[in-house]
Amino acid sequence: AQSVAQPEDQVNVAEGNPLTVKCTYSVSGNPYLFWYVQYPNRGLQFLLKYITGDNLVKGSYGFEAEFNKSQTSFHLKKPSALVSDSALYFCAVRDRAGGTYKYIFGTGTRLKVLA
Amino acid sequence: DAGVIQSPRHEVTEMGQEVTLRCKPISGHDYLFWYRQTMMRGLELLIYFNNNVPIDDSGMPEDRFSAKMPNASFSTLKIQPSEPRDSAVYFCASSLGQPKLLNQPQHFGDGTRLSIL
Repeated sequence: AQSVAQPEDQVNVAEGNPLTVKCTYSVSGNPYLFWYVQYPNRGLQFLLKYITGDNLVKGSYGFEAEFNKSQTSFHLKKPSALVSDSALYFCAVRDRAGGTYKYIFGTGTRLKVLA
Repeated sequence: DAGVIQSPRHEVTEMGQEVTLRCKPISGHDYLFWYRQTMMRGLELLIYFNNNVPIDDSGMPEDRFSAKMPNASFSTLKIQPSEPRDSAVYFCASSLGQPKLLNQPQHFGDGTRLSIL
């Protein structure tokens, strides 16, 4: 069965420093991978996705993610964190071989950027 | 683009009452999803529709929950009777199914915060 894990409940980083939010996945086939962000009292917003091709995917607000097939990881990164990046981040996976249109979401990682 | 619109944003009601949550998807989107978010269980998919037809309702917790999509621009999630454990934030999301269904992102509404007393 497909699954996704976000091993950190919270990540703290100083403003201006690089940030990484970790995600690992397990699927039976080739994965479709997504990152979403949730601000307080708002719905999830799509940041970026990996389907195929380059392992480094660029998305909204300066975020990027690196797909690593051997480590089954899809970590979210940003070179220089902003206080406004503080939010809840979700990784999601859909198995290309799954045959069903369902996302499996991780439990979320709360990012706190300190001024 | 107005985005996915949910109403009400907040609902407080007493146990046993009927609750109806509403969703208007983005125009042109042919997939609609209902999720529930709690601290304990995270984000759970309840049901999703394609072209107004329910495709998978395996996430609906029990018979007290029902969802309908009478047309392409409106869906409801109903709880009857409601219980305190139903308290959560309920999200509606929509997406395109084409050109490639698998890689389409979902667009979420801002949710309905439901509190059952």
